[in-house]
Amino acid sequence: EVQLVQSGAGVKPPGATVKISCKTSGYTFTDYYIHWVRQAPGKGLEWVGLIYPGHGERKYAEKFQGRLTISAETSTDTAFMELTTLRFEDTAVYYCATPHSSSWPFDYWGQGALVTVSS
Amino acid sequence: DIVLTQSPGTLSSSPGETATLSCRASQYVSAVYLAWYQQKPGQAPRLLIYGSSVRPAGVPARFRGSGSGTDFSLTITRLEPEDFAVYYCQHHEDAPYTFGQGTRLEI
Repeated sequence: EVQLVQSGAGVKPPGATVKISCKTSGYTFTDYYIHWVRQAPGKGLEWVGLIYPGHGERKYAEKFQGRLTISAETSTDTAFMELTTLRFEDTAVYYCATPHSSSWPFDYWGQGALVTVSS
Repeated sequence: DIVLTQSPGTLSSSPGETATLSCRASQYVSAVYLAWYQQKPGQAPRLLIYGSSVRPAGVPARFRGSGSGTDFSLTITRLEPEDFAVYYCQHHEDAPYTFGQGTRLEI
């Protein structure tokens, strides 16, 4: 059974850095992409970025360029999302997701990690 | 970037009825790469439809996706109480993997 378990939620002051982890199990970590999606309170879904753990390919949404780093640790089958210089508008639930079906929709999702940026 | 516009923003229906949700793309989207997700409060999104019309295992047959080009729709027949949720369309061909703004299906 494919599972994604997230950790790293919390309250951060403006300007701080948050790092969220996504521990995977039930499949070969290096064979599938991991995407990150966020959802501000009461708002819709926003794609943040992706990584392919097999060879390290990364893509980021343009608005996060320079503040976002997505990484993967193959020894622990865990992906990470680090966002720096946090702003109030970064308050959101951050999800990791992995596509496994043909054409790569986001089949499996983590439970989400709430990051609150507050002074 | 592809912009996906969903309509209506909110749809009011009753159990047993049929609901049709629309997703319009700002440019051509291959039907192979159009997905629909269902999200309930406090939960992660759930994949309902991919490839415009393919249901993953476990998704009831009352959920039907269709469309091509720039116009796609999700039809839910014989609405069940558990179907009242927010629905998002998404294109999943390449970055940025944009989502529509969502349609809230309410009782």
